[in-house]
Amino acid sequence: GAVVSQHPSRVICKSGTSVKIECRSLDFQATTMFWYRQFPKQSLMLMATSNEGSKATYEQGVEKDKFLINHASLTLSTLTVTSAHPEDSSFYICSAPPNQGARAFFGQGTRLTVV
Amino acid sequence: GENVEQHPSTLSVQEGDSAVIKCTYSDSASNYFPWYKQELGKRPQLIIDIRSNVGEKKDQRIAVTLNKTAKHFSLHITETQPEDSAVYFCAARGGGADGLTFGKGTHLIIQP
Repeated sequence: GAVVSQHPSRVICKSGTSVKIECRSLDFQATTMFWYRQFPKQSLMLMATSNEGSKATYEQGVEKDKFLINHASLTLSTLTVTSAHPEDSSFYICSAPPNQGARAFFGQGTRLTVV
Repeated sequence: GENVEQHPSTLSVQEGDSAVIKCTYSDSASNYFPWYKQELGKRPQLIIDIRSNVGEKKDQRIAVTLNKTAKHFSLHITETQPEDSAVYFCAARGGGADGLTFGKGTHLIIQP
């Protein structure tokens, strides 16, 4: 299957700082990538769709100014959590289908802890 | 938007028995239904998926059935083994460019 790599796997940051998470497709190009958030013992919730070369589209209730998404190339999307607060602590995970309508494979996920 | 309901939230079965997890979806335009297995702290792993032009799909001990009319789909695991213990998520997707909408998950416990 397609390989999606996410970095870092764990990060601890101070409240008020920003954190950048990278999502890479290693063996294919992805014009679209998806960012999800998963709180402990809960399901995955789609946050936004990252579109190469254009603005990301955000799900209802997700603040676009807080969760900045940049899809600068066909193999890399980044999610920046700005001015992080303890309530932003969560498991953030990206996925990328090799092409539209294809199966989506997930990155390893990033465990963010804001202290 | 799409809404996916998943039941049960917890399922405990004896090793060797079968397990069935059920999901319903709301958007009749959804056409792709994957199932993921997630172990604690790890990424979801795709275990099987089905598209709306198919009613059933099987892969060894795992099968998925889809009833488009009723808008529900189910995961069947036969001859369960301890390593099947995990959280299982169903999901639905509409257009090919859409993200997945997940069910709330089922914690499957295989009793030895």
